[in-house]
Parts: sequence; C-alpha cells; structure tokens
Amino acid sequence: DTEVTQTPKHLVMGMTNKKSLKCEQHMGHRAMYWYKQKAKKPPELMFVYSYEKLSINESVPSRFSPECPNSSLLNLHLHALQPEDSALYLCASSQVGLAEPTDTQYFGPGTRLTVL
Amino acid sequence: QQPVQSPQAVILREGEDAVINCSSSKALYSVHWYRQKHGEAPVFLMILLKGGEQKGHEKISASFNEKKQQSSLYLTASQLSYSGTYFCGTKGGSGGYQKVTFGTGTKLQVIP
Repeated sequence: DTEVTQTPKHLVMGMTNKKSLKCEQHMGHRAMYWYKQKAKKPPELMFVYSYEKLSINESVPSRFSPECPNSSLLNLHLHALQPEDSALYLCASSQVGLAEPTDTQYFGPGTRLTVL
Repeated sequence: QQPVQSPQAVILREGEDAVINCSSSKALYSVHWYRQKHGEAPVFLMILLKGGEQKGHEKISASFNEKKQQSSLYLTASQLSYSGTYFCGTKGGSGGYQKVTFGTGTKLQVIP
C-alpha cells in the first residue's frame, strides 16, 4: 500500500481565516514533505520532517506553519494567507528521509487551496 | 538549480514512441521520474542511480548519462494512459541529497 491521504480535497478561505491541511500515511515512512504547486509548474518544496523533526524549511513565510504530531501525520496550519498563495498543496512521504539518494517519495492527491 | 527538460510539450498518436530528456548543470547522484495527470498527484515511475544500470518496466524505460548529467525517459508504443506531465527529480547537484529538485516538466498528450 503506497497511499498518502490528504484532507480536505478543496479549500476556499479568506485572508483573515485560519485553516489547516492534513496529511496521513500508514506505510511506516519516517520522512514527510509539504510541496506547493502552481498551475503548469513543478512542485516546490516547502518543508521536510524527518523522524518527526523539522529538518528543512525552504524559507517559507511564517503564515504557513507545519506540524508533525506523530510519524503518520503531518499538518499545515494556514493563517493570514494572500491570494498568491492559492495553489495545489501536496504532501509526500518517503521511507528513510533526507540523506539517502535512493529514497523515493510518494505523493498524496493534494489540497486545492483558493485564497479570496 | 532546476533541471531543464526537453521537449516542453509533445503530442503523439497511439503507438508512437517518445523521448523526454532531463539535463542538470550539476553533478547528480540519482534521478527520479514522475508522471502527473491533470488534477492528480505525481506518481513515481522509476529511479536511476549514478553508476547504475538502465531501468524500466513495461514499455517505459530510462537511462542516466553521468558524464553529461542527463537522464532520458523512453516511452515506446505509447498508450492513451501515458498522457500527462512528466517530471524528473534529481538528488545531488546544488540540492545535495537532502531534497528532490524537480525539473521544468514535459507535457505529453497521446491522441487516438
């Protein structure tokens, strides 16, 4: 089973709202990732958690706040977003983590976020 | 630095072959290929390692030229289900082994 699940599938929020995206995997993977993808562009890495610790933050604005409550769950808390933050947000997981070049990432279906 | 893919887009008729290239300006250790259909998640296809052999499954195969820092994805006898955007992802280079840096993408459309 190589399934990564994400909820919600779609989210519309105003610039003053607070919302959260959720990602879950039950493959025993120890690394989890958040990506942002704009239309017709490749995924852009935002955050990486390895063994439940934040190991990479790609200089993401503080209005995005990641959280890894346990090895199976990853959240992305959103607050005071801008319309340009509208995008597809993808979660991924991999077995080992960062420093292993063969480690393969498996993606969830994504959350389509629209900021009004 | 982002790997560059070519071509940017290609249209094939069912049964035709295609080659998608991925080039990096930096030394690479591994190349990961993904296919993403419209509105869906990227799906892992295969991984190629530095010093490793050519990999493939079914009618999709790939190679990795270490000297040129280039990988090529070969699709033979294309099927309608092959339509989507193909991304290479590289480890090594400026990103180190710590993250996958995705290429610019190649949109493939297979028509009947």
